[in-house]
Amino acid sequence: DVKVTQSSRYLVKRTGEKVFLECVQDMDHENMFWYRQDPGLGLRLIYFSYDVKMKEKGDIPEGYSVSREKKERFSLILESASTNQTSMYLCASSPANYNEQFFGPGTRLTVL
Amino acid sequence: AQSVTQPDIHITVSEGASLELRCNYSYGATPYLFWYVQSPGQGLQLLLKYFSGDTLVQGIKGFEAEFKRSQSSFNLRKPSVHWSDAAEYFCAVGATDSNYQLIWGAGTKLIIKP
Repeated sequence: DVKVTQSSRYLVKRTGEKVFLECVQDMDHENMFWYRQDPGLGLRLIYFSYDVKMKEKGDIPEGYSVSREKKERFSLILESASTNQTSMYLCASSPANYNEQFFGPGTRLTVL
Repeated sequence: AQSVTQPDIHITVSEGASLELRCNYSYGATPYLFWYVQSPGQGLQLLLKYFSGDTLVQGIKGFEAEFKRSQSSFNLRKPSVHWSDAAEYFCAVGATDSNYQLIWGAGTKLIIKP
């Protein structure tokens, strides 16, 4: 069974902290994605990666960075967390040249 | 630019009643179309997808969707809803010209009345 896992389901951090959200997929997928989900705004793409060490900005990359050192792992980094980054973060993966995305359970991040 | 519109933010349906969730898209060629469901506090799960062929697509949990090219629509239907169908539903279009991203609708929250 295909699986995307995220390191935490719930996370509480303080303003200014550096935050790491980890995502791991076991499907040997080339593409990986980080989304942010807020009520009424749907899913907004933060960054995606189509290969190891490759990344591209999505619609809302400001305040975030990513790292993909291994094919199965895609990390989202909040360099200095702010309260407006309180949100649900969803990771997804997909095979190369294929649209269907497989999602992790999400991380609900609260920044105080 | 591609876009996806889900005109209903919330829909309330009685248990056992039929359901139709609307999705309209803007895309030049034949699109790849998806419906996902998100239960409260969970990630997204694929319900069904359309790539080509028969325009009526069957999915999991008794859902189906019909692709209508003339109306640029891909509406999701279920003949009889169950309380467990209460969730948020997202329509998406595959962006084949941009590293196979998905363009997402804003979602429709389904509320089931007992």
